[in-house]
Amino acid sequence: QVHLVQSGAEVRKPGASVKVSCKASGYTFTSYTITWIRQAPGQGLEWMGWISGYNGNIKYAQKFQGRVTMTTDTSTSTAYMELRSLRSDDTAVYYCARLGGAPPDVWGQGTLVTVSS
Amino acid sequence: DIVMTQSPDSLAVSLGERATINCKSSQSVFYSSNNKNYLAWYQQKPGQPPKLLIYWASTRESGVPDRFSGSGSGTDFTLTISGLQAEDVAVYYCQQYYSSPQTFGQGTKLEIK
Repeated sequence: QVHLVQSGAEVRKPGASVKVSCKASGYTFTSYTITWIRQAPGQGLEWMGWISGYNGNIKYAQKFQGRVTMTTDTSTSTAYMELRSLRSDDTAVYYCARLGGAPPDVWGQGTLVTVSS
Repeated sequence: DIVMTQSPDSLAVSLGERATINCKSSQSVFYSSNNKNYLAWYQQKPGQPPKLLIYWASTRESGVPDRFSGSGSGTDFTLTISGLQAEDVAVYYCQQYYSSPQTFGQGTKLEIK
């Protein structure tokens, strides 16, 4: 069965960085792309970008350019999303999801990142 | 960026009745070379990640009950839930995956009347 398991909740101070992991299982990691989507408390869904598990090609949403880095480790079938210079409005649940030519079909459980002084 | 606008923002429907949610994109999400609309629908319950219900505007994801159906083309789309059940209470989102950024609608909250 296909699963994406994300790392646990994080608390950071403004200006700090956070790195969230997303470990895939049950499918060939290099055959799919991983996308990252976030959801602020009580709000809608915001697409952040994607990274190919095949060749590492990346597309970031313009809003996050310069502040986000997405990477993969194919040896462990894990994707990572690092967000820097955190602000209070970055407080959100961050999701990874599998993308394969159609919309995201399998989602991780989400990682709550809280930014607070 | 393609802006996705859902209507209504919230909806209350009686058990067993039909619920209809609309989604409009600011530009067409139809790709003529493969005759597909790059439009998906998701269901999200509290504390859970979104669940894919419909993709290519009208194709049901495996395991999704057939009371869920999607229709529309170009810029106007509809999610219909026929015979509403209690477990369908959730927030529903449309998403276009025609171009990056892959934008979502603001969500429609569905409740039982």
